[in-house]
Amino acid sequence: GNSVTQMEGPVTLSEEAFLTINCTYTATGYPSLFWYVQYPGEGLQLLLKATKADDKGSNKGFEATYRKETTSFHLEKGSVQVSDSAVYFCALIRNTGGFKTIFGAGTRLFVKA
Amino acid sequence: EPEVTQTPSHQVTQMGQEVILRCVPISNHLYFYWYRQILGQKVEFLVSFYNNEISEKSEIFDDQFSVERPDGSNFTLKIRSTKLEDSAMYFCASSGVAGGSTGELFFGEGSRLTVL
Repeated sequence: GNSVTQMEGPVTLSEEAFLTINCTYTATGYPSLFWYVQYPGEGLQLLLKATKADDKGSNKGFEATYRKETTSFHLEKGSVQVSDSAVYFCALIRNTGGFKTIFGAGTRLFVKA
Repeated sequence: EPEVTQTPSHQVTQMGQEVILRCVPISNHLYFYWYRQILGQKVEFLVSFYNNEISEKSEIFDDQFSVERPDGSNFTLKIRSTKLEDSAMYFCASSGVAGGSTGELFFGEGSRLTVL
């Protein structure tokens, strides 16, 4: 079946530290991959996406590269800020039809000043 | 910027009562979804809706749940007889295209349901 596995949190970093949140997936066909972010008390919003192998999604200093050979889509940021504190969800959509986005369990990030 | 709106933001109800959660998706979107999140945990798919019918639903979406698009703008989730375990944050989402290469979701702020 299709699934997304991401590293457990919480992740606690100091401001300006390097961030990596690991995400791997299992899917039939060639899914599109997404990172969503949920700030406290809010809904989820799209952070970045990649639709095919070797694509790199980027937004607000965050990056993730679609690695088909390792079935991974790790989220990285070179220098985190306090305002990046949120829960980050890795997700996939099957490209073989269907309407369901499948989410990972979420990783909570705390950034200390 | 267009957005998905949900009402109510918070509803408290007694076990066994009916609840209707309302959503106004982005106006030119064609695909509508309900997800739920229990206590800040995993985001769980409930149902997707397209062309006035359910396209896909999860095991969670049993006979107690129903969805409707009554008037071309609202998209509602009804829970017929609420249970304690239905307490969660319910998110409505919409997308312009189906589960294809650009099927990113646009989420509302959520409706928190508390069942006592």
